[in-house]
Amino acid sequence: DAGITQSPRYKITETGRQVTLMCHQTWSHSYMFWYRQDLGHGLRLIYYSAAADITDKGEVPDGYVVSRSKTENFPLTLESATRSQTSVYFCASSESGVGNSYEQYFGPGTRLTVT
Amino acid sequence: QQQVKQSPQSLIVQKGGIPIINCAYENTAFDYFPWYQQFPGKGPALLIAIRPDVSEKKEGRFTISFNKSAKQFSLHIMDSQPGDSATYFCAASIDTGFQKLVFGTGTRLLVSP
Repeated sequence: DAGITQSPRYKITETGRQVTLMCHQTWSHSYMFWYRQDLGHGLRLIYYSAAADITDKGEVPDGYVVSRSKTENFPLTLESATRSQTSVYFCASSESGVGNSYEQYFGPGTRLTVT
Repeated sequence: QQQVKQSPQSLIVQKGGIPIINCAYENTAFDYFPWYQQFPGKGPALLIAIRPDVSEKKEGRFTISFNKSAKQFSLHIMDSQPGDSATYFCAASIDTGFQKLVFGTGTRLLVSP
């Protein structure tokens, strides 16, 4: 399927466990992003990637790890999940180029609950 | 630290009304201001965006008004419809070849029939 997909869509895990959220895009966009959405905070950037093997921190990176070995995939790992990481996680992708209106396309989200 | 402040948190209007959502920003280096629309259970989707060299932009029933001196921008929805019921997010970024978006906290809009 074309577009941007996330898996799983729903996940319940226990405190201290490692969990990986997957993101896949079929457009060959160079940029990919991970956001978390919490009531009262809107969307906050966790990590982003400019290309394969190039990643950088966003606003709230603590407790998260990312990798990007292939252009189309951008997994997000919670190494030791905490209750404060209960949230809805969105992956997004975009093209790049100064002066262009490079829309970010969002995936459907993963609802993660840490018990 | 909230760099983009959005209000109101929620809004109820009747069909045909004109809801207005306001955002204010602090960083004068921001030069791209998009609005995203999100329906329940879906990811946000770009609705309309503006750059600071214009004061207004219209796309269909949606209009962005931009006041650079006040560091404020707003979304107006003309002739609102029940299908416009969604959460709306304003955002801002600095054009560095990609958009490192800073989002507002969102406004939940309900358009009653």
